[in-house]
Amino acid sequence: AQSVTQPDIHITVSEGASLELRCNYSYGATPYLFWYVQSPGQGLQLLLKYFSGDTLVQGIKGFEAEFKRSQSSFNLRKPSVHWSDAAEYFCAVVPTSGTYKYIFGTGTRLKVLA
Amino acid sequence: AAGVIQSPRHLIKEKRETATLKCYPIPRHDTVYWYQQGPGQDPQFLISFYEKMQSDKGSIPDRFSAQQFSDYHSELNMSSLELGDSALYFCASSLEGLAKYNEQFFGPGTRLTVL
Repeated sequence: AQSVTQPDIHITVSEGASLELRCNYSYGATPYLFWYVQSPGQGLQLLLKYFSGDTLVQGIKGFEAEFKRSQSSFNLRKPSVHWSDAAEYFCAVVPTSGTYKYIFGTGTRLKVLA
Repeated sequence: AAGVIQSPRHLIKEKRETATLKCYPIPRHDTVYWYQQGPGQDPQFLISFYEKMQSDKGSIPDRFSAQQFSDYHSELNMSSLELGDSALYFCASSLEGLAKYNEQFFGPGTRLTVL
């Protein structure tokens, strides 16, 4: 069965520091990959997505993610974190055939220290 | 740009009552998905519709039913509500015709509280 693992439940970084959120997936073929951000009590906002091509994907708010097929990973990065980045981040995958339902990871809650 | 609309945004019900959640997809989108996000949990897929037909089913309780109407809006009906049904319910829409590029656009969610 397909699954998504976000190993870090909580991450705390200082404002201005770099950030990397990890995401690993388990699937027979390369799925479509997404990162979403959710602020408290809010909906899901798409940060970036990977379908094919260049393995380094640029997203909104200065985020980027790198797809590594050999590691089945799609880690999210940001060079310098802002206090407003504090939120919950979800990695999601969609199989490339059949159902298109999203399979979400358990999320990583980011705390930013001033 | 138009987004996915969900109503109501907040809903408070008593146990054993019934609730109806509505979702209005982005214009021209033909596919609707429903997800349930419990407190501190990741969103879990409930059910989806493509062109008014159920296309996939996840961990949706038998007490819940849903449908998609001719104007593509969808309603999630929840009966005999239980405390554990308290959650944030997301609706997402997509244009199935894009097939391989099936990005789902999420609505703001309906927060259901069962007392």
